Amino acid sequence: DAMVIQNPRYQVTQFGKPVTLSCSQTLNHNVMYWYQQKSSQAPKLLFHYYDKDFNNEADTPDNFQSRRPNTSFCFLDIRSPGLGDAAMYLCATSSPTGFVTEAFFGQGTRLTVV
Amino acid sequence: AQSVTQLGSHVSVSEGALVLLRCNYSSSVPPYLFWYVQYPNQGLQLLLKYTSAATLVKGINGFEAEFKKSETSFHLTKPSAHMSDAAEYFCAVSEVRTSGSRLTFGEGTQLTVNP
Repeated sequence: DAMVIQNPRYQVTQFGKPVTLSCSQTLNHNVMYWYQQKSSQAPKLLFHYYDKDFNNEADTPDNFQSRRPNTSFCFLDIRSPGLGDAAMYLCATSSPTGFVTEAFFGQGTRLTVV
Repeated sequence: AQSVTQLGSHVSVSEGALVLLRCNYSSSVPPYLFWYVQYPNQGLQLLLKYTSAATLVKGINGFEAEFKKSETSFHLTKPSAHMSDAAEYFCAVSEVRTSGSRLTFGEGTQLTVNP
């Protein structure tokens, strides 16, 4: 089945140690998103790619960066994780053909910072 | 900017009872609205979407929602709750941009189903 896959599902990292989360898709969608979801809160958009064009949200901290080497893969890099960065990170894709379509989400990566 | 507000962070119903989860939107243009469900430690799954084709939208798992422009609402309902419906539900509005549409979520409603 076509899908959005996030690896790993659970990630533990040390305070200040760089960490990378990965996302792949088999849907061939041209838009990929990264959302941060803290406990009992709504998902918050960090940034998204439209093809190779990177779009950062105004309030996304500089500590968060992203790479999209090709259509299928997208990475979230956290340069120096703090305790406040512990959250579920959700990758999503969409294909805006015609009117807006829904976003398809991966299972998420739960990040713990120790 | 477009936004959605979900009324009630927690809703509890008995198995077999009506489920009603409330969502109101704010938008200066006709909105595109969605309901997503999230089970513990999972991603979000689309339940249904409104894209102006019909005001009553039917989704998966027996859920439906009605778009009411006069009330700026898009409430989610299900006639008879099942235990498996216990989850977090998010209403979302989509803002269309040339750089790709982006979703803005409400704060979510945790649905508990009691036996």
